[in-house]
Amino acid sequence: EAQVTQNPRYLITVTGKKLTVTCSQNMNHEYMSWYRQDPGLGLRQIYYSMNVEVTDKGDVPEGYKVSRKEKRNFPLILESPSPNQTSLYFCASSPSLQNEQFFGPGTRLTVL
Amino acid sequence: DAKTTQPPSMDCAEGRAANLPCNHSTISGNEYVYWYRQIHSQGPQYIIHGLKNNETNEMASLIITEDRKSSTLILPHATLRDTAVYYCIVRLESRDTPLVFGKGTRLSVIA
Repeated sequence: EAQVTQNPRYLITVTGKKLTVTCSQNMNHEYMSWYRQDPGLGLRQIYYSMNVEVTDKGDVPEGYKVSRKEKRNFPLILESPSPNQTSLYFCASSPSLQNEQFFGPGTRLTVL
Repeated sequence: DAKTTQPPSMDCAEGRAANLPCNHSTISGNEYVYWYRQIHSQGPQYIIHGLKNNETNEMASLIITEDRKSSTLILPHATLRDTAVYYCIVRLESRDTPLVFGKGTRLSVIA
């Protein structure tokens, strides 16, 4: 089944403890991106990647890192999480920017 | 990308057509209109997109006015499972313009 998977789906952590949220797609898509969603602010893009080894900042990249070493994986790294990064995170992929995006199920992160 | 304006919420009776409007008065000639929806905290789901002509697929129809300043997403027979937030997005189809989600319209389908 064609899909975008994210792990973990739920995570509660403490300030400053490094964490990684994984994202994987099995559709051989070139384009992948990360969004966060907060009440009243809608979906905002954090980072995106046009292809392997190519990443760019979105609207809210501060406090996040990403890497794209393989086409299928696009992990989101929080080196030193803070409470303002408590949010619902979505990963998405598409064959290219010209095509519709497929979203993962989301990761709900709480930073205490 | 052109900005869009959508009503914050709408209600629709189950089985009736849901017509969701979107204004995009500053749209340029090569910008597409995309619709996505998000069912309670799930990942957004692509519905349909178009440039000038009306489009239809198994989920919905998209009607774009002749001047392209507004569009309407039509769900022909709304069901309770169509209750969601619907996002109208206008963007260039180029490599440097990712999706920008606004606040959307919260559609409630009522039994």
